[in-house]
Amino acid sequence: AQKVTQAQTEISVVEKEDVTLDCVYETRDTTYYLFWYKQPPSGELVFLIRRNSFDEQNEISGRYSWNFQKSTSSFNFTITASQVVDSAVYFCALSEALGSARQLTFGSGTQLTVLP
Amino acid sequence: NAGVTQTPKFRVLKTGQSMTLLCAQDMNHEYMYWYRQDPGMGLRLIHYSVGEGTTAKGEVPDGYNVSRLKKQNFLLGLESAAPSQTSVYFCASRPTGDWGYTFGSGTRLTVV
Repeated sequence: AQKVTQAQTEISVVEKEDVTLDCVYETRDTTYYLFWYKQPPSGELVFLIRRNSFDEQNEISGRYSWNFQKSTSSFNFTITASQVVDSAVYFCALSEALGSARQLTFGSGTQLTVLP
Repeated sequence: NAGVTQTPKFRVLKTGQSMTLLCAQDMNHEYMYWYRQDPGMGLRLIHYSVGEGTTAKGEVPDGYNVSRLKKQNFLLGLESAAPSQTSVYFCASRPTGDWGYTFGSGTRLTVV
């Protein structure tokens, strides 16, 4: 069974600090997809990134970067020079490619608060 | 706008009442999902459907029923609401062979 662990329940930083959100996953499949979603106070889920298990290249998008390491089953998310607008709950999720449902399994989320 | 629409956005129910949440998508997606979100627990899968006329149980199916009579609609029913079903419900869909999930904006349900 697939599982996603986000050990950091809450993180608080001061604006302009860098922050890394941890995500550790478990799966027996060799083909799978990893995701990060942002949930701002308004409540909707905002897609940030999708990564497949065969692509371990790190990715950078503006102030956001992701570090995928299959050896440690981790898919960590770093925000550089954080801003107040980054305050949200961030979810890491996993989808196994071979299951019948191919559903997303979510971690419990990390509440990030960026203080001015 | 193409996407996933959830109806209603908010609802307050009394214990024992029934209701149906509607999820509609206009992207011709095969897969549809119902999740519930509770504080500190992330999103958990209630039921899912891999195509019109098919449904299956997810992680937390008790107390819910679903139907997918039309490809574009996935209904979630609560036959006898309980306070433990107070939650935010999200619907999602995705096409076959692609991992681009589209989420609705959520339904906040309170059972008193």
